[in-house]
Amino acid sequence: RKEVEQDPGPFNVPEGATVAFNCTYSNSASQSFFWYRQDCRKEPKLLMSVYSSGNEDGRFTAQLNRASQYISLLIRDSKLSDSATYLCAVIGNTGGFKTIFGAGTRLFVKA
Amino acid sequence: NAGVTQTPKFRILKIGQSMTLQCTQDMNHNYMYWYRQDPGMGLKLIYYSVGAGITDKGEVPNGYNVSRSTTEDFPLRLELAAPSQTSVYFCASRPTEGSYNEQFFGPGTRLTVL
Repeated sequence: RKEVEQDPGPFNVPEGATVAFNCTYSNSASQSFFWYRQDCRKEPKLLMSVYSSGNEDGRFTAQLNRASQYISLLIRDSKLSDSATYLCAVIGNTGGFKTIFGAGTRLFVKA
Repeated sequence: NAGVTQTPKFRILKIGQSMTLQCTQDMNHNYMYWYRQDPGMGLKLIYYSVGAGITDKGEVPNGYNVSRSTTEDFPLRLELAAPSQTSVYFCASRPTEGSYNEQFFGPGTRLTVL
């Protein structure tokens, strides 16, 4: 089993739609969780951290479920500019804050 | 601040050649990382460093070496390049304190081994 697994993509949605991504992790001792966004042929950039109580940033909502070992990202009112690959990332409990990334979920938002 | 810089941006190697990918950060971050990303795949950790003089293996270290003589620089060495090392290589850094600090990535080096 991979340490971090994401929904297979791609997701094709119309503008204005709500779309949700899930990501599961295998290490129950994992400490920190993130969603990164990666545009085509660019480096990943942090979208948001995922806190235990859940957190929201504008149209984006992130949730953490430690019991089931998954994190989620909800995008409301999708924009064309949201088209990208979304990577979930998990930091385990070993040294160096090693971050393990999922394979990414590709999102296409269409007019 | 320039952030994380990587050179070169692109490189084509022949099988068996060697090269060093350069990575420099000017944010005084102690933690630095090297990842590779194959087409359509996520990031795989090659090596990481928690400070000058300290390095450790990640998920896919075979065929690579690193050194960390200064806080700023974290070069990645490929010895005897193989086609399986064709990939995009990203260097990243993060602050020491706080587990919720983000990683900052460089723009990547696109390497092709023929």
